[in-house]
Amino acid sequence: EAQVTQNPRYLITVTGKKLTVTCSQNMNHEYMSWYRQDPGLGLRQIYYSMNVEVTDKGDVPEGYKVSRKEKRNFPLILESPSPNQTSLYFCASSLWDWASGIYNEQFFGPGTRLTVL
Amino acid sequence: DAKTTQPNSMESNEEEPVHLPCNHSTISGTDYIHWYRQLPSQGPEYVIHGLTSNVNNRMASLAIAEDRKSSTLILHRATLRDAAVYYCILGSSNTGNQFYFGTGTSLTVIP
Repeated sequence: EAQVTQNPRYLITVTGKKLTVTCSQNMNHEYMSWYRQDPGLGLRQIYYSMNVEVTDKGDVPEGYKVSRKEKRNFPLILESPSPNQTSLYFCASSLWDWASGIYNEQFFGPGTRLTVL
Repeated sequence: DAKTTQPNSMESNEEEPVHLPCNHSTISGTDYIHWYRQLPSQGPEYVIHGLTSNVNNRMASLAIAEDRKSSTLILHRATLRDAAVYYCILGSSNTGNQFYFGTGTSLTVIP
């Protein structure tokens, strides 16, 4: 089954304790992205990657790191989490459309709910 | 930033058509208009996208104004399962393939 998986689905941690949220897709998509969703603010893009070893900042990259060493994986790293990073996180992936020159339909993971105390 | 404006909420009766508007007055020539929706407790899902011409798929239709400064997502017959937050997004390679979701329109479907 074609899907984007995220782990863990729920995480409660404390300020300053490094954590990694994994994201994996089995569709051979070039594009992967991380979003956070907060009440009243909608979805905001954190980082995205257009292919292996190519990453770019989105709207709200501060406090986050990413890496893209393999095409299927795009982990989100919080080196020193703070309470303002408490949020619902979504990973997404998409295929490059050569005809239109854009990334088409994004497939989203189920989300990771992170609480930083 | 390529931004869109949508009403915060809309209501529709079940089995009636729904027209969800989106304004994007700063759209550039290379921006595609994408629509996603998010059902309660789920991740967003793709609905439709287009550049200039109206587009149809099994889920919905996308009507794009001639000047491309606005668009409308059309659900032909709303069902209770269509109750969701609908996001209108602009995206293109010129914006670095960033996607700005905004806060979307919360659609309530009344039985």
